[in-house]
Parts: sequence; C-alpha cells; structure tokens
Amino acid sequence: GAGVSQTPSNKVTEKGKYVELRCDPISGHTALYWYRQSLGQGPEFLIYFQGTGAADDSGLPNDRFFAVRPEGSVSTLKIQRTERGDSAVYLCASSSGGGSYNEQFFGPGTRLTVL
Amino acid sequence: SQQGEEDPQALSIQEGENATMNCSYKTSINNLQWYRQNSGRGLVHLILIRSNEREKHSGRLRVTLDTSKKSSSLLITASRAADTASYFCATDQYNNNDMRFGAGTRLTVKP
Repeated sequence: GAGVSQTPSNKVTEKGKYVELRCDPISGHTALYWYRQSLGQGPEFLIYFQGTGAADDSGLPNDRFFAVRPEGSVSTLKIQRTERGDSAVYLCASSSGGGSYNEQFFGPGTRLTVL
Repeated sequence: SQQGEEDPQALSIQEGENATMNCSYKTSINNLQWYRQNSGRGLVHLILIRSNEREKHSGRLRVTLDTSKKSSSLLITASRAADTASYFCATDQYNNNDMRFGAGTRLTVKP
C-alpha cells in the first residue's frame, strides 16, 4: 500500500507570505505527527494529532504556525507571515496508534525555502 | 525540546567493520526507538526497545538499553556501504506519548 505522502516536495516563498503544507498519512493510521528538520539536525517535534484533535501542540514555535486534521486523515500545516528562519524540511509521520510504542512511518518531507 | 543526544556526531569506518552509536537522554522513558535517514530522504524505523528490556536484535542490528545510565547503543555488525546514513534515537518522556529525536550520528561506511 501507499506510504505517507507530502505535497509539495519543494516550496519556495518570499518572506511574509502564507504557505500550506499537506500530509497524506497511511490509510487507517489514527496518529499523525509534524516535525521540522534543519540541515544537520534531528527532527524537531511540532505537533501530534490523535484522530482529528491535536493531542500535543507544544512544539509549535509560535502562533504563526497552525495545523489541522479536520477528518482525521489528511493534515495541513499552515505557516503565516513566513520568516527566513522557517526554512527547513517539514516532515510528516503517521502511526497506527498514538504512543511511543508504535513505529512512525515518515513521508519524504517538504523542503520550504523562505527568501 | 530534544530529549536524546547521539554520540559520536560523525563516524567513518571501513566496510566489514562494526559501527557503534550511542544515545543519552535526560528523563525517564517508556520506549526508545532508533531510526535511519538516508541523505535527502524520510526516516525509516529500525528498532524499538521498551524500558523493561535490556537488549534487542534485528538482523545485523543490536540495541542495548541501560535505564540506570539513561543511555542506549546501536551496534551495526559487518557494515556495508549501503549502511551509510544518519542514525537517530527517539525517546518519549515518561508521561507523554510522542517522541523527541536527537541530532543524530552521521555514519559513513567506505567500500
């Protein structure tokens, strides 16, 4: 079956613009995670959904970042008034259940460049 | 915030040698996972070890966990050039269900 997919694969935008990044998790996976990864660093946790609700959004850096998962499947990460420091690879992962005992399946990421 | 820290940051070995990577963490955990990331790709799950386990094996991979020292190690035996990648440990925090990743060890296996 299909794995986790993310679109677009690359996004270049100008400082101050709004962007949306999409994640399609593996069908049936109830848990969905967003991470941000800078060059040479590990994934930095942003937000975790269990079903439609955000179970933990403590990793969102500020109120410019927001994520939704309205039907418990596809999720969209939204960044307002982008800044150059937002440039990174944004990774999405899903798992069959929440909890650290479940393997996470990662998508290929969206590379965001803010000029 | 990041929970695990890998050591060394970078490791270069010859094909056929063993590679050992270490992970230290700060708070009590329920589970620890190791992931691999090839350059420019997503992460791939390798192995999960629970806090009540001390060692697990999967093929050429051996993972140990020492909760008293808050550390784990990943051993890759008989390394291959295809093992060249970054390796990350990920841990939960005792009452949380989501994972935090370290900065990773970049392994290079020379043919």
